[in-house]
Amino acid sequence: AQSVTQLGSHVSVSEGALVLLRCNYSSSVPPYLFWYVQYPNQGLQLLLKYTTGATLVKGINGFEAEFKKSETSFHLTKPSAHMSDAAEYFCAVTYQGGKLIFGQGTELSVKP
Amino acid sequence: DTAVSQTPKYLVTQMGNDKSIKCEQNLGHDTMYWYKQDSKKFLKIMFSYNNKELIINETVPNRFSPKSPDKAHLNLHINSLELGDSAVYFCASSQLPGRQETQYFGPGTRLLVL
Repeated sequence: AQSVTQLGSHVSVSEGALVLLRCNYSSSVPPYLFWYVQYPNQGLQLLLKYTTGATLVKGINGFEAEFKKSETSFHLTKPSAHMSDAAEYFCAVTYQGGKLIFGQGTELSVKP
Repeated sequence: DTAVSQTPKYLVTQMGNDKSIKCEQNLGHDTMYWYKQDSKKFLKIMFSYNNKELIINETVPNRFSPKSPDKAHLNLHINSLELGDSAVYFCASSQLPGRQETQYFGPGTRLLVL
């Protein structure tokens, strides 16, 4: 069965600091992994995804994530946080039929 | 030219009522989904249709009934609304029902049952 665990329901960083949001997965098949962002009162927007190939994946808005099979992790990073990055971030893995299985979400706050 | 749209955006109703939420996508996708986001922001899939055929039907009360009149539309009808149905409901679509496919989400319908 597939599952996703996001460590830390809330992460706070200062503007300009490194952003690190943690995601670990469990999958009975080679995983396809996604990070989505949800701004307040909006829908979800894809940041990046890993399917096959290069394990370091670059996404929109300067975010990237690295797939590490040995650690069953897919952590999201951004070198320098902006105020506009404040949002809820969801890691997800897909199952049959495209069913997205989400983690619990991590709320990112950015302090000036 | 919104890719995935939902109506209404907000829905406030009384317990016991019946309501519908509509979803439309103009991306030309074959697959559409309904997700529920609860008050703790946890997201869970409810249903998925591919080319008007139901392919995912999670453990959801049978008061919830999806309908797909064509590939571009997926509606959700809820009978006998209960307090616990209060949530945000998201529609999404993807080109195909594959694990590698990107799903595009609508803005959500915020349902409050009083």
